[in-house]
Amino acid sequence: QKEVEQDPGPLSVPEGAIVSLNCTYSNSAFQYFMWYRQYSRKGPELLMYTYSSGNKEDGRFTAQVDKSSKYISLFIRDSQPSDSATYLCAMSAGSNYKLTFGKGTLLTVNP
Amino acid sequence: DGGITQSPKYLFRKEGQNVTLSCEQNLNHDAMYWYRQDPGQGLRLIYYSQIVNDFQKGDIAEGYSVSREKKESFPLTVTSAQKNPTAFYLCASSIFRSSGNTIYFGEGSWLTVV
Repeated sequence: QKEVEQDPGPLSVPEGAIVSLNCTYSNSAFQYFMWYRQYSRKGPELLMYTYSSGNKEDGRFTAQVDKSSKYISLFIRDSQPSDSATYLCAMSAGSNYKLTFGKGTLLTVNP
Repeated sequence: DGGITQSPKYLFRKEGQNVTLSCEQNLNHDAMYWYRQDPGQGLRLIYYSQIVNDFQKGDIAEGYSVSREKKESFPLTVTSAQKNPTAFYLCASSIFRSSGNTIYFGEGSWLTVV
């Protein structure tokens, strides 16, 4: 079983839809969780950062962590064509410098 | 502006040649990383360095070498021993706080072996 599993998609939605992106993980030591957005041929940019379980909201983006189920989610409300990108989840145990990444989900928001 | 600068953006290499990718950061971050990204493979860690003059192998270090002589710089050499070097290479840096470790990426370097 891979440490982090992420559905690669592709996911295609109409503009204005609510998007749900998800990752599951197997390492119970993970306690720091991140979402990155990567546009085509660009470096990933940090979108959201959460620690332990709970929700965090930033504008149209909400990150959710359920440590009991080893499941994290990123919700995008009122999705825009500019949200079209690959979304990568990442997580770490916190006691070291290494992050473990999911393979990314390709999202397309159609006008 | 603060950030991570990678150069060159695009690089072509002949088989059997070594090539060095540059990475500079002015964020005063302690740790620096090199990742490789291939289609369908996600990000794979090549090397990372937590402090100057020290670095550790990541998951796919074979055929690569690094140095960390300055806090700001972490160049990656792709040697002729790397069997499949054509890929997108990402440099990153981070500072570890009590709230955790968040990594910030450069814009990447595309290496093509011809």
